[in-house]
Formats: sequence, structure tokens, C-alpha cells
Amino acid sequence: GAGVSQSPSNKVTEKGKDVELRCDPISGHTALYWYRQSLGQGLEFLIYFQGNSAPDKSGLPSDRFSAERTGGSVSTLTIQRTQQEDSAVYLCASSLRYRGDEQYFGPGTRLTVT
Amino acid sequence: RKEVEQDPGPFNVPEGATVAFNCTYSNSASQSFFWYRQDCRKEPKLLMSVYSSGNEDGRFTAQLNRASQYISLLIRDSKLSDSATYLCVVITARNTGKLIFGQGTTLQVKP
Repeated sequence: GAGVSQSPSNKVTEKGKDVELRCDPISGHTALYWYRQSLGQGLEFLIYFQGNSAPDKSGLPSDRFSAERTGGSVSTLTIQRTQQEDSAVYLCASSLRYRGDEQYFGPGTRLTVT
Repeated sequence: RKEVEQDPGPFNVPEGATVAFNCTYSNSASQSFFWYRQDCRKEPKLLMSVYSSGNEDGRFTAQLNRASQYISLLIRDSKLSDSATYLCVVITARNTGKLIFGQGTTLQVKP
């Protein structure tokens, strides 16, 4: 079956512009996660959605970052007024439920802020 | 101090060798433990969960020592295809799937 898909695969933007990154989770998965991986850094958690519960936004680095999940499926991560330090690979994952369930990652969106 | 710490390596080993990776975590309340594998410029994929009693999957053996807050991964009879970065991953909070990743350990298996 189809895995997690993300778009675009690559995005180059100028400093100060807003960007939107999209994630389509595996059908039927109720939990969705966003992570980012910067050059030389590990993967860091950003936000996660579980069903209709309020999202856990504890990993968002600043108020320039926001995310929403519509209809319990597709999610959009928005970065406003991008900065060079936002350059990273943004990875989305989904799992059937949450807690110990395996998380399946998408291929990521490579964001470059010039 | 990072929540999950790993030796970044790289570990360069010949085919057929046995190699072990270690990982320590700082939060004693951590709930779940995993090893993920990440190939160059690819997404991470779950290699195996780690259970308190230790567990084995083919050539891979994972161990957990809660008292020392230490996790290990042993790979026997290394293959060229095992070359990748191995990520130690922990879930620290109840009722969440939020993964905390180590920096990863790079393995290069040589012919």
C-alpha cells in the first residue's frame, strides 16, 4: 500500500518568505508527527497530532512554526518569515495509534532558505 | 546534556565482523526504546524495538539495562548492506509517541 508522502520534495525559498510543507499519512493512521533533521544535527521532534486530541506542540522552535491537520488526515506545516537556520529536512511520520506503535516516515522535504 | 547519547563513529568493520553500538538515555522515566536505521539521504526506518528482557531478530540483538539507562545493539556477521546510520530512539513520556532520537552511529562495512 501507499506509504507516507510529502510534498514538495525540495523547496528553496528566500529568507523572510513563508513556506508550507504537506504530509499525507498512511490511510487509517490516527497519529501524525513532524520532525526535522538539520545538517549535523539529530532528528528533533516538532509536533504531533493524535485523533481529535489537542496537538502536542512542545517541539516547535518558535511561534513562526505552526501546523494543522485537516479531517484527521493531511497535515500542513507552515513556517512564516523563514530564516536561514530553518534550513533542514522536514520529516513527517504516521502511526496506527500512538505510544509504542511503529512510526512510518515519509521521504521528507528538504528546505533551503537562502 | 542530550537526552539520548550515542558515539557517532564512524565504525569501519570488515564483512563478517561483529559490531556493537551503545546508547545512554538521561530520563529514568523513559518508557519505550527502539533502534532505527537511516540510509544516506533517506528516511529513518524501524529496525527493532528493545525490550527489557533483550530481544533478537536474525543477526541483530538489542539489550536494555534500565538500571544503567543503557541500550545496546549487536550486529553479527556484518553485511555490506548493513552500512547505514543507526539511531537510538526513546519515548520518554506516557501516552505519547514523541520520539527522542540520538545523533546516530555510522557503520561502514567494507568488503
